[in-house]
Amino acid sequence: EPEVTQTPSHQVTQMGQEVILRCVPISNHLYFYWYRQILGQKVEFLVSFYNNEISEKSEIFDDQFSVERPDGSNFTLKIRSTKLEDSAMYFCASTIWLAGEEQYFGPGTRLTVT
Amino acid sequence: AQKVTQAQTEISVVEKEDVTLDCVYETRDTTYYLFWYKQPPSGELVFLIRRNSFDEQNEISGRYSWNFQKSTSSFNFTITASQVVDSAVYFCALSEVSGNTGGFKTIFGAGTRLFVKA
Repeated sequence: EPEVTQTPSHQVTQMGQEVILRCVPISNHLYFYWYRQILGQKVEFLVSFYNNEISEKSEIFDDQFSVERPDGSNFTLKIRSTKLEDSAMYFCASTIWLAGEEQYFGPGTRLTVT
Repeated sequence: AQKVTQAQTEISVVEKEDVTLDCVYETRDTTYYLFWYKQPPSGELVFLIRRNSFDEQNEISGRYSWNFQKSTSSFNFTITASQVVDSAVYFCALSEVSGNTGGFKTIFGAGTRLFVKA
């Protein structure tokens, strides 16, 4: 069964460093998403992406964040200058088409900022 | 504005009991989608069920069933004959088109942690 993959599974970085989290959505899916989940808290929407541009973003997704689909398979989330509060699990998801469709989530990348 | 409220923070039941997880949502849209996701201790997010705003028919799928009532903006989820493997955090989520950009946004509730004891 096709699945969303994410790398790395765990990333440790120092405050102020740039990180890139990588995701490979399911190949025929058209909508892509990033979410984050601070430990023990709820899942928070960051951004949705369609047709090579941001479709919607939350208040969390400020200028420190960017997304890109550099090729036909990868979907990346970049945090330019990490802060301690960026420590969280980051989930990538994809859907085949509409918002109403089931979102297939990747296993997540745990980001630890020290 | 969108909002999803899961008032139950934690629920503890004994195996084979039925358990209902509550979800109340707020939206101004007439078209929206509601979901339940499960997050087991391993951390992944697993899709369980989906409903769109035009379909209030309640269904049963195996041990899962749901009760969608637009009149009360509720989308409750029931597990029948609970099992230890059902122990997880359950998230209710609402997805709709954003009024600002026309893009899609999904809001999750805070989650309900379910403990099923043997």
